[in-house]
Amino acid sequence: GDSVTQMEGPVTLSEEAFLTINCTYTATGYPSLFWYVQYPGEGLQLLLKATKADDKGSNKGFEATYRKETTSFHLEKGSVQVSDSAVYFCALKTGNQFYFGTGTSLTVIP
Amino acid sequence: NAGVTQTPKFRILKIGQSMTLQCAQDMNHNYMYWYRQDPGMGLKLIYYSVGAGITDKGEVPNGYNVSRSTTEDFPLRLELAAPSQTSVYFCASTSRTGPSTDTQYFGPGTRLTVL
Repeated sequence: GDSVTQMEGPVTLSEEAFLTINCTYTATGYPSLFWYVQYPGEGLQLLLKATKADDKGSNKGFEATYRKETTSFHLEKGSVQVSDSAVYFCALKTGNQFYFGTGTSLTVIP
Repeated sequence: NAGVTQTPKFRILKIGQSMTLQCAQDMNHNYMYWYRQDPGMGLKLIYYSVGAGITDKGEVPNGYNVSRSTTEDFPLRLELAAPSQTSVYFCASTSRTGPSTDTQYFGPGTRLTVL
């Protein structure tokens, strides 16, 4: 069935470090891909999305490119801040359903 | 706009009790979803609805029921609570038209403990 596999955490980085969180997917057809972020005690919020191959989603300095050939949607940010500390979820949509990865916890230390 | 609201925020149930988790949205979204989030397991889809009167099962529907009598409300019912249903429950809604197509808007969650 359809699924998402993302890099396990937790990840701890120093402020201004480069971030990569890996995400690969398995899906029939042509899914849309998403990254969501969850801050402590809150629901998930959309960070960025891409709806077709080679699309790049971007928001708040985060980027991810939809790579059909490698079935990947890796999240990157050039310089992380303390405020980026959160749990990040990769997700895909096929048909009417969404499938989420297990989440990667990021802590950024000053 | 309040967005997606969920009540209650917290609840403790005894085994075998029943309860309804409430979810409402004021964005006129046709699509609504219920997820459970277990530690280290990500979100699993319980049920979803594509419009009033239409519901369908997700990955983990056993032990739950839903109804959708209006566009705004999508309650989740637990009939006989079991410890395995201890989790955080999130409701979400989305539109299939416009610039926010397929963006899921999540409620703040309900933390349920079954003892």
